[in-house]
Amino acid sequence: QKEVEQNSGPLSVPEGAIASLNCTYSDRGSQSFFWYRQYSGKSPELIMFIYSNGDKEDGRFTAQLNKASQYVSLLIRDSQPSDSATYLCAVGGSQGNLIFGKGTKLSVKP
Amino acid sequence: DAGVIQSPRHEVTEMGQEVTLRCKPISGHDYLFWYRQTMMRGLELLIYFNNNVPIDDSGMPEDRFSAKMPNASFSTLKIQPSEPRDSAVYFCASTPRDQETQYFGPGTRLLVL
Repeated sequence: QKEVEQNSGPLSVPEGAIASLNCTYSDRGSQSFFWYRQYSGKSPELIMFIYSNGDKEDGRFTAQLNKASQYVSLLIRDSQPSDSATYLCAVGGSQGNLIFGKGTKLSVKP
Repeated sequence: DAGVIQSPRHEVTEMGQEVTLRCKPISGHDYLFWYRQTMMRGLELLIYFNNNVPIDDSGMPEDRFSAKMPNASFSTLKIQPSEPRDSAVYFCASTPRDQETQYFGPGTRLLVL
């Protein structure tokens, strides 16, 4: 069974620091990877997706993919209290679906 | 576009009652997904459709759960009879053709007493 693993946290970082969120996946054949952010009481919203090994940057967010190690990460630079949320890692399945991890709760302290 | 629409947003019912959750996907999206989210189990995929056809319902917990998609703009998830352990937030999401990005609705918060 395909699995996506994340540390549940909470991960606590001070404002302005770099937050590093990690995710591992079991299916070596996976080709697409996603990070969603979910604020408390809200629905998940897409932050970034990545398909190729290496880094992909979008503003303060950087997604990193290492297929050999089956590892995906999300870096948030200059963390703000508004970044406090649960971050869900998702991996593309074989039939158009996504397999989600249970999420890492991030807390950015002012 | 208004995004994915779900109704009701909140539902409180008593054990044994029938519950029907509704979803309107984004127009033109080919895939529709139903999820359940709890603190303990996270976001669980229940069932998904492609062009109104169920593709995988292996996540449906038991026969008390059923889902239909009679047309491209409407889907229902029904629980009959409901039980307290069904209390959760139920999300619907949709995806355009040839993409994997899922767009989530606001969710239905279900409480079964």
